Amino acid sequence: EADIYQTPRYLVIGTGKKITLECSQTMGHDKMYWYQQDPGMELHLIHYSYGVNSTEKGDLSSESTVSRIRTEHFPLTLESARPSHTSQYLCASSGGQGIYEQYFGPGTRLTVT
Amino acid sequence: RKEVEQDPGPFNVPEGATVAFNCTYSNSASQSFFWYRQDCRKEPKLLMSVYSSGNEDGRFTAQLNRASQYISLLIRDSKLSDSATYLCVVNPPRGTSYGKLTFGQGTILTVHP
Repeated sequence: EADIYQTPRYLVIGTGKKITLECSQTMGHDKMYWYQQDPGMELHLIHYSYGVNSTEKGDLSSESTVSRIRTEHFPLTLESARPSHTSQYLCASSGGQGIYEQYFGPGTRLTVT
Repeated sequence: RKEVEQDPGPFNVPEGATVAFNCTYSNSASQSFFWYRQDCRKEPKLLMSVYSSGNEDGRFTAQLNRASQYISLLIRDSKLSDSATYLCVVNPPRGTSYGKLTFGQGTILTVHP
């Protein structure tokens, strides 16, 4: 079982606030990912990182930004939250040469009012 | 054509039934394949990695047909706890997308008493 953590699990916040969603893993995985998923809908990759100081945008355009200063930590930031950002945000990691199975954290359910 | 396509279902089966899901992928050079399970409002969890022509894990059997570009998941002796959404996942071929898994939309399974 993978050890990947996300905080907060639930967040209700007003429009215009800056928020940071935390994601940490203790497995030493080099690859980390952020997905966005609305209820009953598909997962959409919004950011990924293949190592420290490496970040790339995913397939779904997002106003969020990420950083990867430490291997175990991959936070996602929204500078000014809007109701359209209401969604579930899932963090995942994978590691090892040629190993691409991803392990997911429990997710953060964000509601912007 | 979508990169990964699944029959969304829902599949409603009685306990003890055998049920099979199919998934097709568009890129013939795709390298590796997985099945994930996602419970309602939870994170996806790796169910099986699909190797070469296929593999079995208890009541679950996954098969890969590279010539026809499809993957299948067979569940025997269905349990109530098997009710979930099953996600077909493909790792694209080596290149800029390698390691960025592509998730299908999912197939909903409901097992009833």
